Amino acid sequence: QKEVEQNSGPLSVPEGAIASLNCTYSDRGSQSFFWYRQYSGKSPELIMSIYSNGDKEDGRFTAQLNKASQYVSLLIRDSQPSDSATYLCAVNTGGFKTIFGAGTRLFVKA
Amino acid sequence: SQTIHQWPATLVQPVGSPLSLECTVEGTSNPNLYWYRQAAGRGLQLLFYSVGIGQISSEVPQNLSASRPQDRQFILSSKKLLLSDSGFYLCAWSVGGAGPDTQYFGPGTRLTVL
Repeated sequence: QKEVEQNSGPLSVPEGAIASLNCTYSDRGSQSFFWYRQYSGKSPELIMSIYSNGDKEDGRFTAQLNKASQYVSLLIRDSQPSDSATYLCAVNTGGFKTIFGAGTRLFVKA
Repeated sequence: SQTIHQWPATLVQPVGSPLSLECTVEGTSNPNLYWYRQAAGRGLQLLFYSVGIGQISSEVPQNLSASRPQDRQFILSSKKLLLSDSGFYLCAWSVGGAGPDTQYFGPGTRLTVL
């Protein structure tokens, strides 16, 4: 069974710090990787996608992918209280099958 | 730009009653459409996806069904709801055809079955 694993948290960081969120996946053939942010009671919103090994930066967010280790991470620099949410890692394993992790809850303390 | 709508936003239904949730997408043609369910504190479970009108693929056998009567309309139904059907139902769309399947979610419907 194809799986996407995330630490459920909560991960607590002080305002202005770097938050590091991690995700591992089981299907070595996966090609597309996504990070979503979900505020309590709301639907997930796409933060970033990444398809190649290495880093991809977008503003305060950096996604990192290591296909050999089957590992994808999201770094949030200069964390703000508004970043407090659940972060979902999603992995497309081919075609229309995207598997979502259960999410990591992040708290940014002011 | 593309917009995805879902309604109703919240719904409370008794066990054994029927269900109909609707999702529509604006600003794109021939999208891929998806229905997910998210139980409290859990990940997203893919229920159905559709690549075109009348084309439905089911991922989890259960008492739910889906239909796509129009290109940008996706409907989730049940004839008799179970307590276990409670959850947050999310519709999503992605660009049709080849390429990374980046999915964008609607606002969701929170269903409580009593």
